[in-house]
Amino acid sequence: DTEVTQTPKHLVMGMTNKKSLKCEQHMGHRAMYWYKQKAKKPPELMFVYSYEKLSINESVPSRFSPECPNSSLLNLHLHALQPEDSALYLCASSQASEAFFGQGTRLTVV
Amino acid sequence: GNSVTQMEGPVTLSEEAFLTINCTYTATGYPSLFWYVQYPGEGLQLLLKATKADDKGSNKGFEATYRKETTSFHLEKGSVQVSDSAVYFCALSLRGGGTSYGKLTFGQGTILTVHP
Repeated sequence: DTEVTQTPKHLVMGMTNKKSLKCEQHMGHRAMYWYKQKAKKPPELMFVYSYEKLSINESVPSRFSPECPNSSLLNLHLHALQPEDSALYLCASSQASEAFFGQGTRLTVV
Repeated sequence: GNSVTQMEGPVTLSEEAFLTINCTYTATGYPSLFWYVQYPGEGLQLLLKATKADDKGSNKGFEATYRKETTSFHLEKGSVQVSDSAVYFCALSLRGGGTSYGKLTFGQGTILTVHP
């Protein structure tokens, strides 16, 4: 099983809402990632968790808050987002150098 | 720093044509190299990989060879199909531990459209 599962697939939220994106993997991978992807652009790294600890935060605004409850789960909590935060949010996991991606959550901020 | 440069797109081909998408890289260490594919409305799928010089990655008729002397990892396919229409990303990651573990550096992506 090389699957990374993300929910929800689509999300529309207002600028005052609080929502969460969820990611799950059962491959035993110890590193998990959040990426943001705008249309026609490559993914941009946001956060890296290694062994359930935050190891990289690529200067992401505090309105994005990651959480790793256990080795299989990764959440991204969203609060007071801006319309320019609308994008595809991708979760990935890895054990060696290669990463496996989920299908993404298409987020629209209105 | 690390960087990946892909050929300018978009690329438009007829079915059964030969495909090459060029990719070159710069890296501070010894990278692993990847090609990812993204179909419309979907996430990224790992297409193929190579972890050391002269390795050839292959999958679904696509091939790429890790050329350390030219710092390149060009993607090729002998006969493309309409279903190959997608965005292709070349990427690298540095091996070893530390905070760079598994962190991917992507090229800008190449949009491929294949017509019947």
